This record gives sequence, C-alpha cells and structure tokens, in this order.
Amino acid sequence: DIQMTQSPSSVSASVGDRVTITCRASQGISSWLAWYQQKPGKAPKLLIYAASSLQSGVPSRFSGSGSGTDFTLTISSLQPEDFATYYCQQANSFPHTFGQGTKLEIK
Amino acid sequence: EVQLVQSGAEVKKPGESLKISCKGSGYSFTSYWIGWVRQMPGKGLEWMGIIYPGDSDTRYSPSFQGQVTISADKSISTAYLQWSSLKASDTAMYYCASSGGEWLRFGFGYWGQGTLVTVSS
Repeated sequence: DIQMTQSPSSVSASVGDRVTITCRASQGISSWLAWYQQKPGKAPKLLIYAASSLQSGVPSRFSGSGSGTDFTLTISSLQPEDFATYYCQQANSFPHTFGQGTKLEIK
Repeated sequence: EVQLVQSGAEVKKPGESLKISCKGSGYSFTSYWIGWVRQMPGKGLEWMGIIYPGDSDTRYSPSFQGQVTISADKSISTAYLQWSSLKASDTAMYYCASSGGEWLRFGFGYWGQGTLVTVSS
C-alpha cells in the first residue's frame, strides 16, 4: 500500500495568514492526489483533485501543487470558515489511502 | 443533483451482524465506483474498500479485507457495507463516497451524510 504522510499534524494560524500543508507519498503517484476539508460533525468536502485542480465552488484562495511524491495545499489568506481538518488522499492505486490529517486551529 | 443517502444510526451488541446502506441518485450509479470510509471517534479517515456497481468488481484495503463485505444492488442504486460479527472496535462513523459522474482518480466529489455505528454490550 502507498503510505501518505501529512505535515504538520496541527497548525495554529490567524485570519489572513497564508498556510501551507504538505503531503508525502511513500512512492510516486503522478498527480493523482486529492485534498479534502472536514469540519466537526460533517462529511469531508473535496477541495482539490489531480494535485492542482480546484473543485467547482471552492474559493480560489485554496491551491494545490506537486507531483510524484511531494504535494502541498496552500490557503493564501485564511478565513474564519477555513478552520478545519485537512486530508490528502492518493488516487493512483488501490487502496486509495488518506493522510492522517492536519488540524488547522485559530491562533 | 448527485446525492448519496445513507441509512440511519445503529446501536448493536458485540457479535451481532449489521448491514448499512447508501443510495445513490442523480448520476449513472452503475458507471462509477462507490467507496466506504471509516472514521473512528476523534480520528482520521480510513479508506475501507470500493465497488463498481456495473460488474460488482470490489477492492478492499488489506486492513479491512475479511472484516467487512461490500456489495451493491444496481437495480435500486444502493451500495452496502456489512459485518457478520461486530466488535466494539467497529464503533465509528461510516461514510459512503463516490466520484459521481467524474473519474475516480479525481477523488470523492460526493459523500453521504454518514452512518454512526455504535457497538456496545
């Protein structure tokens, strides 16, 4: 199985800050990486697919980059509604494993 | 509009069996993979397995192989996740998810609302 490792596990930031979350795959996955946002008590929401494509309806302050084994999710200017947990998921080969999550908290 | 609607919360005893469901609508159910994701209390997302309803091709994570069974009834556009003998450690929220009308490699664009399974004596 491909292991997905996110860093950091948690991060504190303020409204307006720029935040970057990284995700590393244990082997190359081309660009088959998705990013999700999950708020407490809610189902995850797809933000980014194919490493850098913005899902319809997702604000443009979210962006993704990377290929191969190293990927990043960047939020350019944090808004109050962005405080949540973020997960990466590889979609290159079954099982489509998730990272362990990054909790984004208000400083 | 693509929708995945899951069955309601369940409270079971250890050793009991259970089958939960996920009904898809608004897209061609038989043409797109539908998967199951576990989230234990306070923990992250775990990919359990996935089924292609068109031909019932099913893939499991090694962590869940033999522990659960995934199936689908394409005549009623419904996928299932079942256990033959529940354990307390199966207590979790279970989500179904699909790419809907998109390529699976684009991730799960659509999610059910979740089914909370509680296993307690």
